[in-house]
Amino acid sequence: GNSVTQMEGPVTLSEEAFLTINCTYTATGYPSLFWYVQYPGEGLQLLLKATKADDKGSNKGFEATYRKETTSFHLEKGSVQVSDSAVYFCAQWDETSYDKVIFGPGTSLSVIP
Amino acid sequence: SAVISQKPSRDICQRGTSLTIQCQVDSQVTMMFWYRQQPGQSLTLIATANQGSEATYESGFVIDKFPISRPNLTFSTLTVSNMSPEDSSIYLCSVEPPRVGMNEQFFGPGTRLTVL
Repeated sequence: GNSVTQMEGPVTLSEEAFLTINCTYTATGYPSLFWYVQYPGEGLQLLLKATKADDKGSNKGFEATYRKETTSFHLEKGSVQVSDSAVYFCAQWDETSYDKVIFGPGTSLSVIP
Repeated sequence: SAVISQKPSRDICQRGTSLTIQCQVDSQVTMMFWYRQQPGQSLTLIATANQGSEATYESGFVIDKFPISRPNLTFSTLTVSNMSPEDSSIYLCSVEPPRVGMNEQFFGPGTRLTVL
């Protein structure tokens, strides 16, 4: 079945460091791909998305490119801030199948000053 | 986008009691979903609730424990029955996109449940 795999943390970085969180997926169709963020004590927020191959999603300095050839959607940010400390979930969803969103296990990020 | 509200936002409950969580969306949608997020874990789908039919439960979830109502196209409830501390989680509802081409499901803010 469809699945999402992402690097599991926790990840600890110093402020202004470069961030990469790897995400790969398996799918029978052509899903849309998402990164969600959950700040401490808060709900789930959509960070960015990409709906087809080679699309790049971006928001708040974060970027991810939909790579069909490697079935990947890695999250990157050039310079992290303390306020980026959160749990990040990679996810896929196939609108055509009206199916559930499939989430990765989540990656906890801590950014220290 | 679709704006989703959930009530209550959080609750602390005693073992053996039941809690009903409400989910309201500002657009008419056919499909609504209920997810559970246990502490430190990812989100797991409990069930899919289509208006006008019985909810469809994922493996490991049963109607007696998590009864769901879907009385109309903008509202759903999830009841967590006979609660135990293991039910302490965040419960989220989500909806299909209200219009074609929106390319994402929309999530509510979640209900944070603690069972003592």
